[in-house]
Amino acid sequence: GAVVSQHPSWVICKSGTSVKIECRSLDFQATTMFWYRQFPKQSLMLMATSNEGSKATYEQGVEKDKFLINHASLTLSTLTVTSAHPEDSSFYICSARDLPGHFNEKLFFGSGTQLSVL
Amino acid sequence: GESVGLHLPTLSVQEGDNSIINCAYSNSASDYFIWYKQESGKGPQFIIDIRSNMDKRQGQRVTVLLNKTVKHLSLQIAATQPGDSAVYFCAEILNSGYSTLTFGKGTMLLVSP
Repeated sequence: GAVVSQHPSWVICKSGTSVKIECRSLDFQATTMFWYRQFPKQSLMLMATSNEGSKATYEQGVEKDKFLINHASLTLSTLTVTSAHPEDSSFYICSARDLPGHFNEKLFFGSGTQLSVL
Repeated sequence: GESVGLHLPTLSVQEGDNSIINCAYSNSASDYFIWYKQESGKGPQFIIDIRSNMDKRQGQRVTVLLNKTVKHLSLQIAATQPGDSAVYFCAEILNSGYSTLTFGKGTMLLVSP
């Protein structure tokens, strides 16, 4: 099946620094990628939707200047957490859709990134 | 961070038992539903899906039931194994294929040998 690779798996950083998380579709072209955030023992909350070559669409309450999303190619989307603070510590998960209009059974998830901000 | 008092419902079963995990979805107009399994520290893994024009769908050891009248979805796992231990989420989609997933709250399944 299709594979979505997400890196790094975990990262520890100091407060005030920026962290970049990569999401790659390895064997398909992802026209749309999604970024989710998950706190312990909670569900996945959609942060933003990114389409290749255009600006990301952010969900209500998600700061676009803090969570920068770039989807410059059909196989790569990045999420940069800028000026990270301890409250940004969370599990971040990306997912990718291979072709527009397909049912979301074609939505593949990365393995997640655990961010810990000290 | 985590809200005070928030917790995942937990279902504890013995190996070999049948498990039933329930989910109440939010939007009566949703037309596509998916069950995901999430192991600790990993991303969600697709288990089974069902469209709103169906009320039952079977896979290998798993069955999904949909009751649109009460907006209820269930996942039945037959002959539960220790490897089934994980958190299970239902997800709903409005306007299949073009809309994003909305995840339910999740249920932790613990299978003891």
